[in-house]
Amino acid sequence: GQNIDQPTEMTATEGAIVQINCTYQTSGFNGLFWYQQHAGEAPTFLSYNVLDGLEEKGRFSSFLSRSKGYSYLLLKELQMKDSASYLCAVQDSNYQLIWGAGTKLIIKP
Amino acid sequence: DGGITQSPKYLFRKEGQNVTLSCEQNLNHDAMYWYRQDPGQGLRLIYYSQIVNDFQKGDIAEGYSVSREKKESFPLTVTSAQKNPTAFYLCASSFPPGEGTDTQYFGPGTRLTVL
Repeated sequence: GQNIDQPTEMTATEGAIVQINCTYQTSGFNGLFWYQQHAGEAPTFLSYNVLDGLEEKGRFSSFLSRSKGYSYLLLKELQMKDSASYLCAVQDSNYQLIWGAGTKLIIKP
Repeated sequence: DGGITQSPKYLFRKEGQNVTLSCEQNLNHDAMYWYRQDPGQGLRLIYYSQIVNDFQKGDIAEGYSVSREKKESFPLTVTSAQKNPTAFYLCASSFPPGEGTDTQYFGPGTRLTVL
């Protein structure tokens, strides 16, 4: 079967760095997406990785290792507004998105 | 401004009633999707459409129906056959999957509560 695993919840301090991991087992791979979702709102697109390596976009970076079935989202200089759920999704061989349950990130002052 | 709209944001219905959720986009996207989100679970695909007048079942299509008569619109009907319809429903759209920039963009969602 297809499976995406992420930690359920993480806590970090304002101004610090946090890494949210995602491991996957899917039927094929055509890319990995990270989305941010604030409570009660829609997911918003953060990043896309299809090749191995690190993609940097401001305070957020995303890493992919296809051989290990592993990705992480790195958030630097954490702000209170970063408190949200972070969703990992893998595009399978049919280009359908398989979604993880999301990681709820709590930022403390 | 380009985007995806869903209405209403909150919807209450009595058990046994059908209800239709609206989704409209002006991003010129060919593909549109309906997902359901429940607490502690990943998004689950209900239906998707890659072109007007064509749509396919997703993983949890039972108890739902859709239509795609216009490129901009993809309404979802939650029928009385859906056993547990209370959930957060999200509509998304994208350029055709596998054609480069196929990132899915989401509407604000409709929270349906069946009483």
